Amino acid sequence: DAGITQSPRHKVTETGTPVTLRCHQTENHRYMYWYRQDPGHGLRLIHYSYGVKDTDKGEVSDGYSVSRSKTEDFLLTLESATSSQTSVYFCAISESLDANEQFFGPGTRLTVL
Amino acid sequence: AQSVTQLDSHVSVSEGTPVLLRCNYSSSYSPSLFWYVQHPNKGLQLLLKYTSAATLVKGINGFEAEFKKSETSFHLTKPSAHMSDAAEYFCVVSDRNFNKFYFGSGTKLNVKP
Repeated sequence: DAGITQSPRHKVTETGTPVTLRCHQTENHRYMYWYRQDPGHGLRLIHYSYGVKDTDKGEVSDGYSVSRSKTEDFLLTLESATSSQTSVYFCAISESLDANEQFFGPGTRLTVL
Repeated sequence: AQSVTQLDSHVSVSEGTPVLLRCNYSSSYSPSLFWYVQHPNKGLQLLLKYTSAATLVKGINGFEAEFKKSETSFHLTKPSAHMSDAAEYFCVVSDRNFNKFYFGSGTKLNVKP
């Protein structure tokens, strides 16, 4: 299994509070991605990174920000959590565009009350 | 733009009978296509991928998929279902731009004894 960990694995928080999810990889892969999974929608891309300090928006980026200060860490922040952000969040990594397979972390289940 | 349509949200088969999970894609160029499997409360595992080599792709656990450009399809098949195949399956098309993934909405496979 690819070395990807996510923390925390479960979190319950209240509306309006900030939340940060962490993705950590030990594979030294260049590309990292954050997705959210909701019933009936599959996984949808929130943000992605193509190198340290290089990030861009995905299809559902509103209300989320990211940072990547080191190759191994990709942080997803909900500045002010809303109930619509209750979801399961997956981090993924990819070595190169040619290899193009993505490896997924175990997921973080976030509940916003 | 890239997109994927999984034609069935639920499929139910009996153990030992064939499995067919249908996927149609839309892509503005020759696509890379994937099937991932997700067992309950687990992460995503790659079953197989098509990247413009052979049109019939063999994956893990006896699954295979055939790329048909004329039909814009990439259906997943298995000759004989096993109880352990019960899971949710996602068809995915990737974007050449930073290898962003676009997921179908998923097909839940139920295997009856």
